[in-house]
Amino acid sequence: KNEVEQSPQNLTAQEGEFITINCSYSVGISALHWLQQHPGGGIVSLFMLSSGKKKHGRLIATINIQEKHSSLHITASHPRDSAVYICAVFYGNKLVFGAGTILRVKS
Amino acid sequence: GAVVSQHPSRVICKSGTSVKIECRSLDFQATTMFWYRQFPKKSLMLMATSNEGSKATYEQGVEKDKFLINHASLTLSTLTVTSAHPEDSSFYICSARERGIMYNEQFFGPGTRLTVL
Repeated sequence: KNEVEQSPQNLTAQEGEFITINCSYSVGISALHWLQQHPGGGIVSLFMLSSGKKKHGRLIATINIQEKHSSLHITASHPRDSAVYICAVFYGNKLVFGAGTILRVKS
Repeated sequence: GAVVSQHPSRVICKSGTSVKIECRSLDFQATTMFWYRQFPKKSLMLMATSNEGSKATYEQGVEKDKFLINHASLTLSTLTVTSAHPEDSSFYICSARERGIMYNEQFFGPGTRLTVL
């Protein structure tokens, strides 16, 4: 079993839809990253959070440390949001990555 | 956010040659840099952790004589793939953590796509 589990693995949405990607982890962590990777591209850090909620534009990330769960929400989704979204947790001195969620937003 | 650059972005080389990839933190000092490898449609695999002024710590299964890492300054780490072979073809990504708090945010470079012919 992976230490970091993401769901869903694949997600197709219509433009404008509200999207939620979930991340569960089994280890005690100090912080969690949400990352974005476009096809063939590098990785962009969207959020790092250790408690509560953060918002940046149309993106919202929440974390519940007690339940070992985090969610990434995208409001008013757009085709340019199509990418792989990766949850990664700080465990020890390293990042442990989820397998990623492939998001495709259709216009 | 802080910026991490990688150079080159793409490199094609012949089998048996060595390739050097540079990773720079442009607007912050990075005491720790990480080198990852990513296979198609797979997540990142940590190869090694590089601390400024000391030897890199390699993950199990990563050949340190094949993947030479040097972290000579607080803003530069290099990965040299020695005697490259086609199976070394991959997307290599570096990441840097800013000097200071241990769990500070990690910033990722844009990646280097290596193709070995």
